[in-house]
Amino acid sequence: AQSVTQLDSHVSVSEGTPVLLRCNYSSSYSPSLFWYVQHPNKGLQLLLKYTSAATLVKGINGFEAEFKKSETSFHLTKPSAHMSDAAEYFCVVSDHGSGGYNKLIFGAGTRLAVHP
Amino acid sequence: DADVTQTPRNRITKTGKRIMLECSQTKGHDRMYWYRQDPGLGLRLIYYSFDVKDINKGEISDGYSVSRQAQAKFSLSLESAIPNQTALYFCATSDLTGGETQYFGPGTRLLVL
Repeated sequence: AQSVTQLDSHVSVSEGTPVLLRCNYSSSYSPSLFWYVQHPNKGLQLLLKYTSAATLVKGINGFEAEFKKSETSFHLTKPSAHMSDAAEYFCVVSDHGSGGYNKLIFGAGTRLAVHP
Repeated sequence: DADVTQTPRNRITKTGKRIMLECSQTKGHDRMYWYRQDPGLGLRLIYYSFDVKDINKGEISDGYSVSRQAQAKFSLSLESAIPNQTALYFCATSDLTGGETQYFGPGTRLLVL
């Protein structure tokens, strides 16, 4: 069965410094992988997704993630953090099920704090 | 206007009460989902529906029921609320043309006393 592990529950960075949010997955198939962001009191917004095309995926707001099959990783990065990036981030893997439905498996989340 | 809306946004209820959470979408998607979010656990799937006549249990369906009244509406009910159902509840939608991408509502924060 597919699973996803977010290696840090909290990450704190200074504004203008790089962001790295780490995610490892387990999958028996070629997975689809996603990063979602949740700002306070808001729903989840899709940042980016990987679906077996280019291994480096660019998303919104300057985020990108690289799919590394050999390391079973899909880490999220951003060169320079902004205060508005403070939020909770979820790494998600698609579980290839039956009946045409691919269930999403969510990681526990990483809370990103950005300090002035 | 938001594509996926949830009502109410916040709800406080007492143990044993029946409550309903509602979700509406204007995206025209066939597939709808209910999740709950607990701190440190991410989101877990409660129920999902592929169309009006199709309802499926997710990984944590006990204590919950759903109704798909129309393509655009998917309601979640707690027949007899208990304190461990205190959580943040999300509705989501998707369609085949969009692949597995799901679009989420703003969430309903439920407190069961």
